[in-house]
Amino acid sequence: DIQMTQTTSSLSASLGDRVTISCSASQGISNYLNWYQQKPDGTVKLLIYYTSSLHSGVPSRFSGSGSGTDYSLTISNLEPEDIATYYCQQYSKLPWTFGGGTKLEIK
Amino acid sequence: QVQLQQSGAELVKPGASVKLSCKTSGYTFTSYWIQWVKQRPGQGLGWIGEIFPGTGTTYYNEKFKGKATLTIDTSSSTAYMQLSSLTSEDSAVYFCAKSYDYDVPFAYWGQGTLVTVSA
Repeated sequence: DIQMTQTTSSLSASLGDRVTISCSASQGISNYLNWYQQKPDGTVKLLIYYTSSLHSGVPSRFSGSGSGTDYSLTISNLEPEDIATYYCQQYSKLPWTFGGGTKLEIK
Repeated sequence: QVQLQQSGAELVKPGASVKLSCKTSGYTFTSYWIQWVKQRPGQGLGWIGEIFPGTGTTYYNEKFKGKATLTIDTSSSTAYMQLSSLTSEDSAVYFCAKSYDYDVPFAYWGQGTLVTVSA
């Protein structure tokens, strides 16, 4: 199985900050990488698919980048509603696997 | 708009089975994969398996073979997951999700169903 690692399990930032969350795969995943947001009430939404494509309805302050084994999600101008846990996930090879999540809090 | 409405919370006894539902609307049910995901309390997300309603094709995570069975009812655009021989390790929130164009998985999510296994 491909292991997805998010080395930062929690992150504290101030409103208006630019935040970057990292994710690495145990082998190359050819940009087949999604990012999800899980709010404190449990609801989950797709933010970014195929490394850098913004899903419908997602604010433009979210962006994604990366290649090979290393990927990142950036939130520019952090807003209160961005408080959530963020997960990366690969869909290069079955079984689909998720990173352990990065919990974002307001400083 | 795309909607996935999951069935309500379940309290089940050890050794029993439970069948969860995921009723979809707002898109062509037979054209997109339905995935199922497990989340234990305070833990991350784990893929259980997926089914393509157009053909009934299924793929399972090896960890859930024998535990989860995925089915669909195209007449009601509803996907089901049956969990068998339940133990405390199966207590979790279970999500359904649907894929997007180009088979991008987990594009739209249901609200989740809490399953509690307790005597």
